[in-house]
Amino acid sequence: QVQLHQWGAGLLKPSETLSLTCDVSGGSLSGYYWSWIRQSPGKGLEWIGEINHTIKNRYNPSLKSRATISGDTSKNYFSLELKSVTAADTAVYYCVRGAFVWTDFYYYFHMDVWGQGSTVIV
Amino acid sequence: SSELTQDPAVSVALGQTVRITCQGDSLRDYNATWYQQKPGQAPSLVLYGKNSRPSGIPGRFSGSSSGNTASLTITGAQAGDEADYFCNSRDSSGNHWVFGGGTKLTVL
Repeated sequence: QVQLHQWGAGLLKPSETLSLTCDVSGGSLSGYYWSWIRQSPGKGLEWIGEINHTIKNRYNPSLKSRATISGDTSKNYFSLELKSVTAADTAVYYCVRGAFVWTDFYYYFHMDVWGQGSTVIV
Repeated sequence: SSELTQDPAVSVALGQTVRITCQGDSLRDYNATWYQQKPGQAPSLVLYGKNSRPSGIPGRFSGSSSGNTASLTITGAQAGDEADYFCNSRDSSGNHWVFGGGTKLTVL
């Protein structure tokens, strides 16, 4: 069973760079989409971006190119860097696995495995 | 602002049926996926595709879609279903993922 374990600095000052890493155990990075999603206090979910080694990374345009997601298939982990953080970046950050599943003669995408969440305070 | 709109809160009497809706233009082209989040926990998948449930999700959870609206229906709501529910789909460009603002379900 695939599990995601994430870690990184939890307290940052404005203008610093947020850095989080997600270790994938029980499975491989290959063939899946790996996202970072955050949730501000009392708010909803916001997709930050995803990495997949067969296509170009995708990012939420609202982050204005501050985010970078990278991955290492040999070590089975992926990471998030978010530059120039402000108080608005205070949130719980989740690493998430996404996959296409063949159902009802169609491929549907879902995010089926989530990390435990990392609280980041700016 | 989210491209997917959900009612902030919905309540249902124990054992009754409740529908949670999600509206957005992109839902005319893409299916919604639904996640449940209980306090202090990460979200978890409850429904995907036209009406598919991952292993472990009971059959009282079902989904439907019409036009720009996707719905999650819980038939015979249980106390353990009390949670926040988020819909998720592609944005209007089809290149990015968006979530609805979430619906807090209270089981009375």
